[in-house]
Amino acid sequence: DSGVTQTPKHLITATGQRVTLRCSPRSGDLSVYWYQQSLDQGLQFLIQYYNGEERAKGNILERFSAQQFPDLHSELNLSSLELGDSALYFCASSAGTAEGEKLFFGSGTQLSVL
Amino acid sequence: GEDVEQSLFLSVREGDSSVINCTYTDSSSTYLYWYKQEPGAGLQLLTYIFSNMDMKQDQRLTVLLNKKDKHLSLRIADTQTGDSAIYFCAEPRRALTFGSGTRLQVQP
Repeated sequence: DSGVTQTPKHLITATGQRVTLRCSPRSGDLSVYWYQQSLDQGLQFLIQYYNGEERAKGNILERFSAQQFPDLHSELNLSSLELGDSALYFCASSAGTAEGEKLFFGSGTQLSVL
Repeated sequence: GEDVEQSLFLSVREGDSSVINCTYTDSSSTYLYWYKQEPGAGLQLLTYIFSNMDMKQDQRLTVLLNKKDKHLSLRIADTQTGDSAIYFCAEPRRALTFGSGTRLQVQP
């Protein structure tokens, strides 16, 4: 168990809808990362938050947004969903922002857009 | 190139050694990582190596680093069926940038 908690484990929704994925980092970790894993794109870095502030941005679509709350949990919001958004979404956490920090991953949310 | 590259598939017999290879891109990388993903699970940090090292051994795992060629390898000694999983190498670029993963199949 990595100590990173993601909910829900599975999510089935329809095109055009909006969903929210939730992540609680390991105790003491200040950074939260979101990744998308799909068969064709592999593991893609979406966004990082550190202590409530956006720290780094990857391949995150404009339809997607995230935030980190004062209690350090994070939410990833996906809107106007398309079939191609079906993927496994991972959250990871680390202690800070130093380069090369180890990331600890949650078990993911499997999103199916029908 | 921009991508961290790995071969897609490796099949070995139980008890043999497995060697999974990776070519990374950033010569200034401080740490390089190996993660393991079992079916239906998240990525588990397996081991890592600091860039000033050539080799690191951790029980059945040996990591070799060739900085000149930007080549990283993971050797699993005495491979067991429980080692069947997808193995990802990762470099510290854009948080962590992962390779495409190598699916290791261990045959009894």
